[in-house]
Amino acid sequence: GAVVSQHPSWVICKSGTSVKIECRSLDFQATTMFWYRQFPKQSLMLMATSNEGSKATYEQGVEKDKFLINHASLTLSTLTVTSAHPEDSSFYICSADRGDTQYFGPGTRLTVL
Amino acid sequence: KQEVTQIPAALSVPEGENLVLNCSFTDSAIYNLQWFRQDPGKGLTSLLLIQSSQREQTSGRLNASLDKSSGRSTLYIAASQPGDSATYLCAVNKETSGSRLTFGEGTQLTVNP
Repeated sequence: GAVVSQHPSWVICKSGTSVKIECRSLDFQATTMFWYRQFPKQSLMLMATSNEGSKATYEQGVEKDKFLINHASLTLSTLTVTSAHPEDSSFYICSADRGDTQYFGPGTRLTVL
Repeated sequence: KQEVTQIPAALSVPEGENLVLNCSFTDSAIYNLQWFRQDPGKGLTSLLLIQSSQREQTSGRLNASLDKSSGRSTLYIAASQPGDSATYLCAVNKETSGSRLTFGEGTQLTVNP
């Protein structure tokens, strides 16, 4: 149990376009989901905490207007990278909170040309 | 601010060796500690979760210990195999309700046949 999916698994887009990434908890409900960013050979950096039915909480230095988060249901959170630029290219991973631990999705590789 | 350090950053061993990965954290007021495995380009797989009241957890060839007062945890891998090659991440959770993880930088393990 405790499976989290992400879609898409990879995406390539042109600079200036917006990209939406979905994170779903498949077999449990999660009032809280997390979005992380990971650069090559580095650890995960928490970007924001997504709360169902309320606004996301962003970490210091993360632009909330750049990275839009919507947690519309107990099983779905979305991250939209608006007006993407090459420096936004990264590996984005979500996780869903279940009790005292998090279950992680497989990640989405974003490449902005 | 909680800081998590993992040593070594990289480790290469021959198949069959027993090995130890180290994790230290600056704030001992944690709720639990978790070890994850990450394969290249993939999400995180939880290996072991140790509650703050526990000293160790075991799963197969893996054994994780926790010394909360000294801010240290170790992951012991017995009889290593090439399939164990991956990056191992340590994360601490300071929340008593839900979870908020602080990750170390990881140890990249290579087990040579």
